[in-house]
Amino acid sequence: KAGVTQTPRYLIKTRGQQVTLSCSPISGHRSVSWYQQTPGQGLQFLFEYFSETQRNKGNFPGRFSGRQFSNSRSEMNVSTLELGDSALYLCASSPRTGGFNEQYFGPGTRLTVT
Amino acid sequence: QKEVEQNSGPLSVPEGAIASLNCTYSDRGSQSFFWYRQYSGKSPELIMSIYSNGDKEDGRFTAQLNKASQYVSLLIRDSQPSDSATYLCAVKTNTGNQFYFGTGTSLTVIP
Repeated sequence: KAGVTQTPRYLIKTRGQQVTLSCSPISGHRSVSWYQQTPGQGLQFLFEYFSETQRNKGNFPGRFSGRQFSNSRSEMNVSTLELGDSALYLCASSPRTGGFNEQYFGPGTRLTVT
Repeated sequence: QKEVEQNSGPLSVPEGAIASLNCTYSDRGSQSFFWYRQYSGKSPELIMSIYSNGDKEDGRFTAQLNKASQYVSLLIRDSQPSDSATYLCAVKTNTGNQFYFGTGTSLTVIP
């Protein structure tokens, strides 16, 4: 089975711009979660989507948004980029939401904001 | 605030030794526990999941869970240089898929 894929892998943007990241989960997985990883804060949960609905949201400003499509693929958007948004953005997929459930990460998108 | 605490290390062990990684969590509602390995510049890779008190073994890895003490650990037997990585502990409740991660323990296995 193919793993979680994320595009693009690397991205350089300027402050004030917006960016869209894409994630395709493992085939058959319906839950997609997004995380931000920085050296100082570690892995921080952004949000989870299941069946095209946002199920959980972390403590991030409204500039961070996402959506999920009927094929379970997900996109994350960050508007009005700030320098502090530079991070590794990780997508993780699970077969379902809740319960005893494992999560598998994609390779990540490295975003640099200048 | 749901917190997961890990000793950041670095932890150094000689090749062939047992590496012991520890994690404590604050939310007594946590039901699922995971260990991930993350090599520098790579994404986290799931090593073990454990849901019940006691030990769970998978090859050279053993996860131990004690819900009463809110403690989960990972033992790596016969440590190899390729085990050198950061190990992340994660916990979740059975509601939703919000995983809470510790900041990780850096392990170096010395040849």
